Amino acid sequence: GAGVSQSPSNKVTEKGKDVELRCDPISGHTALYWYRQSLGQGLEFLIYFQGNSAPDKSGLPSDRFSAERTGGSVSTLTIQRTQQEDSAVYLCASSPTGSGANVLTFGAGSRLTVL
Amino acid sequence: TQLLEQSPQFLSIQEGENLTVYCNSSSVFSSLQWYRQEPGEGPVLLVTVVTGGEVKKLKRLTFQFGDARKDSSLHITAAQPGDTGLYLCAGSAASGSRLTFGEGTQLTVNP
Repeated sequence: GAGVSQSPSNKVTEKGKDVELRCDPISGHTALYWYRQSLGQGLEFLIYFQGNSAPDKSGLPSDRFSAERTGGSVSTLTIQRTQQEDSAVYLCASSPTGSGANVLTFGAGSRLTVL
Repeated sequence: TQLLEQSPQFLSIQEGENLTVYCNSSSVFSSLQWYRQEPGEGPVLLVTVVTGGEVKKLKRLTFQFGDARKDSSLHITAAQPGDTGLYLCAGSAASGSRLTFGEGTQLTVNP
């Protein structure tokens, strides 16, 4: 696609429910990143995919968080038994990999509100 | 863990004024980037600097990477209301590794 697409754009859920957030990266981008952003704050790294593997998942805050990527394309971030502190905007970005600096293109994010 | 500290956290100025935003770390980065984010959208890349001492200009924006590759600054000349947004610096320790983001500087330019 022309850009990074994320869905849903907004999700309101009750505490204890599971949620799935989806990211469609730019076609051909091999690297995919998930970040979390609290209101007006910087971005907190969650996980990084290179193809379908995740060489760096050190940012996942607890075992309630998991992510997968299939076919080197779409990625899903799953949060189980959501808590109120999980409320944030979840941003996905993709990047073509190779030599040189990372150039990330971000989606518009999925805003999660846990009541 | 590599940390990036941005200052100031908030900045409110009048149209036409100049401003500088700083991004500092005790760690060395192979590259450093600046992003701008508007409400309801993801960050958009403004510039990437990779060489210590490098200066890049993008219209009224001037970006500098410190000689030791530990810090960077963003200078805006004659700010305009359209410059309003959250400015984020981000550093990478190596190509292909995670980007570490600063907390951001929320800039408001008043007409």
